[in-house]
Amino acid sequence: DSGVTQTPKHLITATGQRVTLRCSPRSGDLSVYWYQQSLDQGLQFLIQYYNGEERAKGNILERFSAQQFPDLHSELNLSSLELGDSALYFCASSVGGGTHITEAFFGQGTRLTVV
Amino acid sequence: GQQVMQIPQYQHVQEGEDFTTYCNSSTTLSNIQWYKQRPGGHPVFLIQLVKSGEVKKQKRLTFQFGEAKKNSSLHITATQTTDVGTYFCAGLRGRDDKIIFGKGTRLHILP
Repeated sequence: DSGVTQTPKHLITATGQRVTLRCSPRSGDLSVYWYQQSLDQGLQFLIQYYNGEERAKGNILERFSAQQFPDLHSELNLSSLELGDSALYFCASSVGGGTHITEAFFGQGTRLTVV
Repeated sequence: GQQVMQIPQYQHVQEGEDFTTYCNSSTTLSNIQWYKQRPGGHPVFLIQLVKSGEVKKQKRLTFQFGEAKKNSSLHITATQTTDVGTYFCAGLRGRDDKIIFGKGTRLHILP
């Protein structure tokens, strides 16, 4: 168990809908990272938050947004969902604020299926 | 587009044979990390390399960072069935602090 909690584990929704994925980092970790993993694209870095503020942005679509709350949990919002958004979404956390300068711990992931 | 190439994409080896995966970047990296993901699991951090030419060992695993900080390799000696999984490299691009993952090398061990 990495100490990073992601909910829900599975999500099935229709095209055009909006969903929210939730991540609770390890106790004491200030950084949260979001990743998308699909079969053909591998692991894609989406965005990083550090202590409530956006720190780095990767290949995140405009239909997607994220935030980190004062208690350090984070949510990833995916809207106007398309079939191609079906993927495994991972959250990771680390102590440091630099982009992956320190070891990152991954959650179990949320499997999103868009039908 | 993808700027960190990882080869091979798949590798089947007999148990006891060695295995190597390579990671090549088109740009200089600030650091590189390696992760292992078991089938059905989540990525687990293995190691981080920061210095040019750095070599680190973890039991049967040897990690190298190239002199130009554009390539890296992971070598496993005498593979075991527990080594099965996908190995990812992740480079931190110096110019914009973006993390770029390779697509991974899926290792399958033949008994």
